[in-house]
Amino acid sequence: DAKTTQPPSMDCAEGRAANLPCNHSTISGNEYVYWYRQIHSQGPQYIIHGLKNNETNEMASLIITEDRKSSTLILPHATLRDTAVYYCIVRSINDYKLSFGAGTTVTVRA
Amino acid sequence: EAEVAQSPRYKITEKSQAVAFWCDPISGHATLYWYRQILGQGPELLVQFQDESVVDDSQLPKDRFSAERLKGVDSTLKIQPAELGDSAMYLCASSPGDATNEKLFFGSGTQLSVL
Repeated sequence: DAKTTQPPSMDCAEGRAANLPCNHSTISGNEYVYWYRQIHSQGPQYIIHGLKNNETNEMASLIITEDRKSSTLILPHATLRDTAVYYCIVRSINDYKLSFGAGTTVTVRA
Repeated sequence: EAEVAQSPRYKITEKSQAVAFWCDPISGHATLYWYRQILGQGPELLVQFQDESVVDDSQLPKDRFSAERLKGVDSTLKIQPAELGDSAMYLCASSPGDATNEKLFFGSGTQLSVL
């Protein structure tokens, strides 16, 4: 599986959009980009995933660059409850399992 | 909303003792995973089941760890004997097994402390 690179931490203000970057420069054509988050003392929670096109759901938006080498997760209106570790993961269509890195610790401040 | 159930939530044991964790996946989910998460790190896959069969156990320390999913539903992860370095969160996840729309659903985990 391709590896991802994320900043170790970032802060954002409550009510503002949070933009979380992820680099996956070695991604191949049959690999998806997934985002999960893990709130303290809980299991990871699925947020969103995409292959080539931008995706949006009730939790977030995923913007994937045209060359697919990087992506951005957007939390449109961050709340204090969005404070968590966010994991960007690349998954092959041929392999169900997810390989987690260290993620980005996001702290939303009032 | 259906959830992955895990028990116990917390477990404290002494070194060299045996310990077991239980997981009940979401009904109908064929794929089940056990992950281990050391404090400050991302989860690491230990074993993956498809129904009752092991698909991947390459990262499972087989000298002391064992996992089973006898009827293809719930699963048990065992450690015998436990070592100090086994202290971690043990997470179970399940998924429906859709190659293009795969989502893992995680339980709340079992926090193991080995003294």
